[in-house]
Amino acid sequence: GAVVSQHPSRVICKSGTSVKIECRSLDFQATTMFWYRQFPKQSLMLMATSNEGSKATYEQGVEKDKFLINHASLTLSTLTVTSAHPEDSSFYICSAPTPSGVSTDTQYFGPGTRLTVL
Amino acid sequence: KNEVEQSPQNLTAQEGEFITINCSYSVGISALHWLQQHPGGGIVSLFMLSSGKKKHGRLIATINIQEKHSSLHITASHPRDSAVYICAVKGTAGGTSYGKLTFGQGTILTVHP
Repeated sequence: GAVVSQHPSRVICKSGTSVKIECRSLDFQATTMFWYRQFPKQSLMLMATSNEGSKATYEQGVEKDKFLINHASLTLSTLTVTSAHPEDSSFYICSAPTPSGVSTDTQYFGPGTRLTVL
Repeated sequence: KNEVEQSPQNLTAQEGEFITINCSYSVGISALHWLQQHPGGGIVSLFMLSSGKKKHGRLIATINIQEKHSSLHITASHPRDSAVYICAVKGTAGGTSYGKLTFGQGTILTVHP
């Protein structure tokens, strides 16, 4: 089946640095990808919708200048946490729906990236 | 009130028991997903439903569109079923909302041997 990968799986960084997280769809083209954040013992919270060839759409309360999203190709979206602070420590997950019109309409999730900001 | 509500929030069972997790939603949807998240964090989509019932192995998912309710059943539960089960709905809006999911808060299932 379709696979979505994320890299890195785990990252520890110092406060004030920037961290880039990659999300790749390995065997299908994803014009849309979603970025989520999950705090301990909480459900996923949608941060933004990444659209290939256009600007990302951010959910209310998510700072677009802090969480930079670039959908560089049909198989790659990146999330950059700029000037990270300890409160940005979280589990970040991406997902990609199968393309519109495909009969097996579903959504594939990446394995997640655990970010720890010291 | 959340758009997607799951119950129970926590569920403990003995191996072999039949388990039911419920999901109610308050918005119009085009599809509903049941997801499984293991302690390591990875998420797997178990089912995508728009009507009726689906079965995969020991897992059964049903949905009643009129009542805006879905259930996930696990027959002959096993300790390896221990995970967080999340209900997520996809709205009916199209365009840039394509594929966007709204999540329930999750149900933590623990199956003891």
